[in-house]
Amino acid sequence: QKEVEQNSGPLSVPEGAIASLNCTYSDRGSQSFFWYRQYSGKSPELIMFIYSNGDKEDGRFTAQLNKASQYVSLLIRDSQPSDSATYLCAAPHFRFGKLIFGQGTELSVKP
Amino acid sequence: EAGVVQSPRYKIIEKKQPVAFWCNPISGHNTLYWYRQNLGQGPELLIRYENEEAVDDSQLPKDRFSAERLKGVDSTLKIQPAELGDSAVYLCASSSGHLNTGELFFGEGSRLTVL
Repeated sequence: QKEVEQNSGPLSVPEGAIASLNCTYSDRGSQSFFWYRQYSGKSPELIMFIYSNGDKEDGRFTAQLNKASQYVSLLIRDSQPSDSATYLCAAPHFRFGKLIFGQGTELSVKP
Repeated sequence: EAGVVQSPRYKIIEKKQPVAFWCNPISGHNTLYWYRQNLGQGPELLIRYENEEAVDDSQLPKDRFSAERLKGVDSTLKIQPAELGDSAVYLCASSSGHLNTGELFFGEGSRLTVL
C-alpha cells in the first residue's frame, strides 16, 4: 500500500460544478496534510493545508480531514476552467522529515 | 523575492551519457530537496539536505546518482551514466525547515529525456 493514495482521474466536471478530490493515507502518525496544484508543465504550488479534523475553507476551496478514516479531501466550488490542473495530496513523514506525495488527480473543468 | 532557480530547463541526452542539474534555493532556506517526477505520477524524494548535510538519501540510486550542496546554498544533482528510465522531471524545492506547514517552494524543474 502506498503511503498516500489518490484517484488518478482524470476527473471532468462542468464549469460551475463542485469538484471533489480524494486522498487516503496509511501513516496514522501523520498530523497534517497538504494540497498542491500543478498546472501542466509547471511545478507544484501549495494551495491548502489542514491539520485538524473537520473542514477548512479558503475561498472556493474546502479541505476536509477525517483522521479516524485516514481520509482527506479537497472540494472546489464553482469550478472554473482555470482550475484545470493536477492536484497532489501530500503528507509529511515526520520520522524522516520528508513530504510524501500521492500520484495526483487530474482535474478538467469544461466550459 | 526570487524563487527557486533550476537549470537547465530541458536536456536531451543519449543513454550512458552524463548529465547534471543545478539548483539555487530561495535565500535563507536551509532545507533543499531533489524530487523526481515521472509522467502522471507525484514527485518522489531523491535526497534532502539540511544546510550542507544530506540527511535523507535513501531513495537516491547511488550507483549512478550523486548530489552535493556546497556551502549549504546551491546544489547539483548528477547522473552518470544515464539510463532510459531516468527520463523524468527533476524538481528542486526548498523550505524554511518547518515541515508542519508543508510549504515547499519548487523550481520550474529540469526535464530530462534519455534517448
